[in-house]
Amino acid sequence: GEDVEQSLFLSVREGDSSVINCTYTDSSSTYLYWYKQEPGAGLQLLTYIFSNMDMKQDQRLTVLLNKKDKHLSLRIADTQTGDSAIYFCAESTGGSYIPTFGRGTSLIVHP
Amino acid sequence: DTAVSQTPKYLVTQMGNDKSIKCEQNLGHDTMYWYKQDSKKFLKIMFSYNNKELIINETVPNRFSPKSPDKAHLNLHINSLELGDSAVYFCASSQGYSGKGNEQFFGPGTRLTVL
Repeated sequence: GEDVEQSLFLSVREGDSSVINCTYTDSSSTYLYWYKQEPGAGLQLLTYIFSNMDMKQDQRLTVLLNKKDKHLSLRIADTQTGDSAIYFCAESTGGSYIPTFGRGTSLIVHP
Repeated sequence: DTAVSQTPKYLVTQMGNDKSIKCEQNLGHDTMYWYKQDSKKFLKIMFSYNNKELIINETVPNRFSPKSPDKAHLNLHINSLELGDSAVYFCASSQGYSGKGNEQFFGPGTRLTVL
C-alpha cells in the first residue's frame, strides 16, 4: 500500500463543513502537513502539525491527529467556493524531513 | 515578487527531442527539488539538491539530469523524451528543517506534453 492515503474526491455544499481524511503508515512521522493546490498552480502549505500535538486550529481550519491510528484530518468550517482545490496530506520523518505526499483529495464546493 | 519561478509554463514537444526546464528561487533557501505530478495528480519527488549538491535521486531514468549552477537555480534537462514523460513538473525549495518541519515552496509548474 501507499505510505500516505487519502480519498480522491469530496463534494460539499457552500457553508457546510468539509472534512478531509488521511492515513499514513510511518509511526515515526514527525511533521504532518496539509497543502492546497489550486488549478494551474503549485502546492502551497496550508497548515501543519507536529506529531506530539492532537489538534491545531487556525481560523476556519482544524487539524486533528490520531497518532495511535495514524490518522490525520483537516476540517474546513463554513466552506466557500474559493476553497475548491486539491488538498494534499504529507508527512515527513528523519533527518532530511523530505515530505511524502498523498495523492490529493479534490474538494468540490457547490452552491 | 515571485518566490519560486519556472520556465516555461507549457512545453509541447515531439518524442525523441531534448528539452530543459529552468527553476529559480529568490528565498535564499539552501535546498531545491524537482517533483513530477502525473495525470492522476500523484506527486513524486525526483531530485533534491542542497547547496548545489545532489542529495536525493529517486528512481528516475538517467535521461533526466538536474543541474544546479548555484543554490538559487535548479534546472532539469530531459533527453530523448518519451510519451510517458508527459506530466506537470514542479520545482520547489525549502530552508530545510525549521519550526514548520520542512515546508516546501512550490513553483507554478511546467506542463510538459510529449507528442
